[in-house]
Amino acid sequence: GAVVSQHPSRVICKSGTSVKIECRSLDFQATTMFWYRQFPKKSLMLMATSNEGSKATYEQGVEKDKFLINHASLTLSTLTVTSAHPEDSSFYICSASTFSGNTEAFFGQGTRLTVV
Amino acid sequence: LAKTTQPISMDSYEGQEVNITCSHNNIATNDYITWYQQFPSQGPRFIIQGYKTKVTNEVASLFIPADRKSSTLSLPRVSLSDTAVYYCLVAPSGSARQLTFGSGTQLTVLP
Repeated sequence: GAVVSQHPSRVICKSGTSVKIECRSLDFQATTMFWYRQFPKKSLMLMATSNEGSKATYEQGVEKDKFLINHASLTLSTLTVTSAHPEDSSFYICSASTFSGNTEAFFGQGTRLTVV
Repeated sequence: LAKTTQPISMDSYEGQEVNITCSHNNIATNDYITWYQQFPSQGPRFIIQGYKTKVTNEVASLFIPADRKSSTLSLPRVSLSDTAVYYCLVAPSGSARQLTFGSGTQLTVLP
Protein backbone atom coordinates (compact mmCIF):
# COMPACT_ATOMS: atom_id res chain seq x y z
CA GLY A 1 0.00 0.00 0.00
CA ALA A 2 0.87 3.66 -0.13
CA VAL A 3 3.42 4.99 2.33
CA VAL A 4 3.06 7.98 4.60
CA SER A 5 6.17 9.04 6.47
CA GLN A 6 6.12 11.20 9.57
CA HIS A 7 9.14 12.92 11.08
CA PRO A 8 10.36 13.06 13.76
CA SER A 9 9.08 9.95 15.48
CA ARG A 10 9.69 11.49 18.87
CA VAL A 11 10.72 14.91 20.09
CA ILE A 12 11.32 16.53 23.44
CA CYS A 13 11.17 20.28 23.66
CA LYS A 14 11.22 22.95 26.31
CA SER A 15 8.11 24.79 27.33
CA GLY A 16 7.58 27.90 25.23
CA THR A 17 9.38 26.63 22.14
CA SER A 18 7.84 25.56 18.85
CA VAL A 19 8.02 22.15 17.24
CA LYS A 20 7.43 21.22 13.60
CA ILE A 21 6.20 17.79 12.56
CA GLU A 22 6.36 16.71 8.92
CA CYS A 23 4.04 14.35 7.11
CA ARG A 24 5.00 13.12 3.65
CA SER A 25 3.22 10.91 1.18
CA LEU A 26 6.12 9.03 -0.38
CA ASP A 27 4.61 7.38 -3.42
CA PHE A 28 1.41 9.24 -4.14
CA GLN A 29 0.02 12.73 -4.22
CA ALA A 30 -2.29 13.78 -1.44
CA THR A 31 -4.28 16.96 -1.87
CA THR A 32 -5.73 16.37 1.56
CA MET A 33 -4.05 15.17 4.71
CA PHE A 34 -5.41 14.86 8.20
CA TRP A 35 -3.85 15.48 11.59
CA TYR A 36 -4.89 13.53 14.66
CA ARG A 37 -3.96 13.69 18.29
CA GLN A 38 -4.01 10.74 20.64
CA PHE A 39 -3.69 10.74 24.41
CA PRO A 40 -2.61 7.61 26.30
CA LYS A 41 -5.21 4.85 26.27
CA LYS A 42 -7.52 7.01 24.17
CA SER A 43 -8.67 6.96 20.60
CA LEU A 44 -7.47 9.21 17.80
CA MET A 45 -9.05 12.62 17.75
CA LEU A 46 -9.16 14.57 14.50
CA MET A 47 -7.54 17.97 14.88
CA ALA A 48 -7.60 19.42 11.40
CA THR A 49 -7.84 18.78 7.70
CA SER A 50 -4.89 19.98 5.69
CA ASN A 51 -5.64 21.11 2.15
CA GLU A 52 -2.89 21.66 -0.39
CA GLY A 53 -2.69 25.27 -1.40
CA SER A 54 -5.34 26.54 0.96
CA LYS A 55 -6.03 27.08 4.64
CA ALA A 56 -6.50 24.13 6.92
CA THR A 57 -9.87 23.34 8.41
CA TYR A 58 -9.77 22.92 12.17
CA GLU A 59 -12.09 20.88 14.33
CA GLN A 60 -14.04 22.59 17.05
CA GLY A 61 -11.93 23.29 20.09
CA VAL A 62 -8.58 23.12 18.29
CA GLU A 63 -6.67 26.40 18.40
CA LYS A 64 -5.55 27.29 14.89
CA ASP A 65 -2.97 29.77 16.18
CA LYS A 66 -1.37 27.11 18.34
CA PHE A 67 -1.39 24.29 15.82
CA LEU A 68 -0.20 25.81 12.56
CA ILE A 69 -0.70 23.65 9.50
CA ASN A 70 0.97 24.20 6.17
CA HIS A 71 0.34 22.04 3.12
CA ALA A 72 2.57 23.63 0.53
CA SER A 73 2.92 20.68 -1.83
CA LEU A 74 1.02 17.58 -2.84
CA THR A 75 3.33 15.39 -0.79
CA LEU A 76 4.05 17.39 2.33
CA SER A 77 2.01 18.76 5.20
CA THR A 78 3.52 20.19 8.36
CA LEU A 79 2.07 20.71 11.81
CA THR A 80 3.80 23.27 14.02
CA VAL A 81 2.99 23.31 17.70
CA THR A 82 3.72 26.87 18.74
CA SER A 83 4.69 27.97 22.23
CA ALA A 84 4.38 24.41 23.43
CA HIS A 85 3.30 23.64 26.97
CA PRO A 86 3.34 20.37 28.92
CA GLU A 87 -0.37 19.84 28.19
CA ASP A 88 0.50 19.70 24.48
CA SER A 89 2.45 16.53 25.13
CA SER A 90 0.73 13.85 23.11
CA PHE A 91 1.01 11.47 20.18
CA TYR A 92 0.38 13.23 16.87
CA ILE A 93 -0.54 11.22 13.78
CA CYS A 94 -1.11 12.25 10.19
CA SER A 95 -2.94 10.45 7.45
CA ALA A 96 -3.40 10.82 3.72
CA SER A 97 -5.36 8.99 1.11
CA THR A 98 -5.43 8.38 -2.58
CA PHE A 99 -8.51 9.04 -4.61
CA SER A 100 -8.94 5.54 -5.89
CA GLY A 101 -12.61 5.12 -5.11
CA ASN A 102 -12.24 3.22 -1.84
CA THR A 103 -11.84 4.61 1.62
CA GLU A 104 -8.46 3.30 2.67
CA ALA A 105 -6.39 5.93 4.40
CA PHE A 106 -2.71 5.58 5.13
CA PHE A 107 -1.25 6.72 8.39
CA GLY A 108 2.16 7.95 9.39
CA GLN A 109 4.00 6.26 12.21
CA GLY A 110 3.17 9.06 14.60
CA THR A 111 5.20 11.60 16.55
CA ARG A 112 5.55 11.43 20.31
CA LEU A 113 5.84 15.01 21.59
CA THR A 114 7.00 15.60 25.13
CA VAL A 115 7.11 19.16 26.42
CA VAL A 116 9.21 19.64 29.53
CA LEU B 1 -20.53 10.10 9.67
CA ALA B 2 -21.86 6.81 10.98
CA LYS B 3 -21.05 6.09 14.62
CA THR B 4 -19.58 2.74 15.55
CA THR B 5 -19.78 0.69 18.73
CA GLN B 6 -17.28 -2.00 19.66
CA PRO B 7 -16.42 -3.93 22.81
CA ILE B 8 -13.82 -2.06 24.84
CA SER B 9 -11.63 -5.11 25.33
CA MET B 10 -11.28 -8.80 24.55
CA ASP B 11 -8.91 -11.50 25.71
CA SER B 12 -7.92 -14.56 23.74
CA TYR B 13 -5.30 -17.27 23.75
CA GLU B 14 -2.70 -18.01 21.16
CA GLY B 15 -3.95 -20.13 18.30
CA GLN B 16 -7.59 -19.24 18.76
CA GLU B 17 -9.83 -17.50 16.29
CA VAL B 18 -10.95 -14.06 17.42
CA ASN B 19 -14.10 -12.34 16.25
CA ILE B 20 -14.64 -8.66 16.99
CA THR B 21 -18.06 -7.27 16.18
CA CYS B 22 -18.80 -3.65 15.42
CA SER B 23 -22.24 -2.05 15.32
CA HIS B 24 -22.97 0.77 12.87
CA ASN B 25 -26.73 1.11 12.84
CA ASN B 26 -26.87 4.33 10.81
CA ILE B 27 -24.51 3.29 8.05
CA ALA B 28 -25.24 5.06 4.77
CA THR B 29 -25.61 3.52 1.35
CA ASN B 30 -22.22 4.75 0.13
CA ASP B 31 -20.32 3.91 3.31
CA TYR B 32 -17.54 1.35 3.38
CA ILE B 33 -16.46 -0.52 6.51
CA THR B 34 -12.77 -0.47 7.29
CA TRP B 35 -10.78 -2.00 10.13
CA TYR B 36 -7.47 -0.72 11.39
CA GLN B 37 -4.95 -2.14 13.85
CA GLN B 38 -2.86 0.03 16.12
CA PHE B 39 0.11 -0.94 18.25
CA PRO B 40 1.31 1.34 21.05
CA SER B 41 3.13 4.42 19.79
CA GLN B 42 2.45 3.61 16.16
CA GLY B 43 0.01 4.91 13.59
CA PRO B 44 -3.01 2.78 12.66
CA ARG B 45 -2.43 0.11 10.04
CA PHE B 46 -5.05 -0.93 7.51
CA ILE B 47 -6.33 -4.48 7.95
CA ILE B 48 -9.34 -4.98 5.72
CA GLN B 49 -12.19 -3.17 4.06
CA GLY B 50 -15.56 -4.24 2.76
CA TYR B 51 -18.97 -3.11 1.60
CA LYS B 52 -21.14 -6.21 1.94
CA THR B 53 -21.04 -10.01 2.41
CA LYS B 54 -17.58 -11.38 3.04
CA VAL B 55 -14.09 -10.16 2.32
CA THR B 56 -10.94 -12.14 3.02
CA ASN B 57 -7.28 -11.28 2.74
CA GLU B 58 -4.07 -12.78 4.01
CA VAL B 59 -4.55 -11.56 7.58
CA ALA B 60 -8.29 -11.41 8.28
CA SER B 61 -11.84 -11.88 7.15
CA LEU B 62 -14.64 -9.38 7.34
CA PHE B 63 -18.23 -10.52 7.56
CA ILE B 64 -21.00 -8.05 6.78
CA PRO B 65 -24.68 -9.09 7.00
CA ALA B 66 -27.21 -8.03 4.42
CA ASP B 67 -28.49 -5.06 6.46
CA ARG B 68 -24.90 -3.82 6.95
CA LYS B 69 -25.72 -2.57 10.43
CA SER B 70 -22.86 -4.53 11.90
CA SER B 71 -19.65 -6.19 10.82
CA THR B 72 -17.34 -8.81 12.30
CA LEU B 73 -13.60 -8.86 11.98
CA SER B 74 -12.27 -12.40 12.19
CA LEU B 75 -8.62 -13.05 13.00
CA PRO B 76 -7.64 -16.69 12.52
CA ARG B 77 -5.21 -18.33 14.92
CA VAL B 78 -4.03 -15.24 16.74
CA SER B 79 -0.54 -14.91 18.15
CA LEU B 80 0.92 -12.73 20.89
CA SER B 81 1.88 -10.16 18.27
CA ASP B 82 -1.78 -9.59 17.44
CA THR B 83 -2.22 -7.84 20.79
CA ALA B 84 -3.31 -4.37 19.73
CA VAL B 85 -6.24 -1.99 19.51
CA TYR B 86 -8.61 -2.67 16.63
CA TYR B 87 -10.74 0.11 15.22
CA CYS B 88 -13.85 -0.25 13.09
CA LEU B 89 -14.59 2.77 10.91
CA VAL B 90 -17.38 3.63 8.55
CA ALA B 91 -16.88 6.26 5.88
CA PRO B 92 -18.16 7.10 2.42
CA SER B 93 -16.26 6.25 -0.70
CA GLY B 94 -14.68 8.88 -2.91
CA SER B 95 -13.04 12.21 -2.06
CA ALA B 96 -10.91 12.63 1.02
CA ARG B 97 -11.00 10.21 3.89
CA GLN B 98 -11.86 12.06 7.04
CA LEU B 99 -12.13 9.22 9.47
CA THR B 100 -13.82 9.35 12.85
CA PHE B 101 -12.34 6.90 15.28
CA GLY B 102 -14.43 5.26 17.97
CA SER B 103 -13.03 3.80 21.14
CA GLY B 104 -11.65 0.68 19.48
CA THR B 105 -11.24 -2.79 20.96
CA GLN B 106 -8.15 -3.68 22.95
CA LEU B 107 -7.36 -7.28 22.05
CA THR B 108 -5.00 -9.04 24.42
CA VAL B 109 -3.64 -12.39 23.31
CA LEU B 110 -2.44 -14.53 26.17
CA PRO B 111 0.10 -17.36 25.96
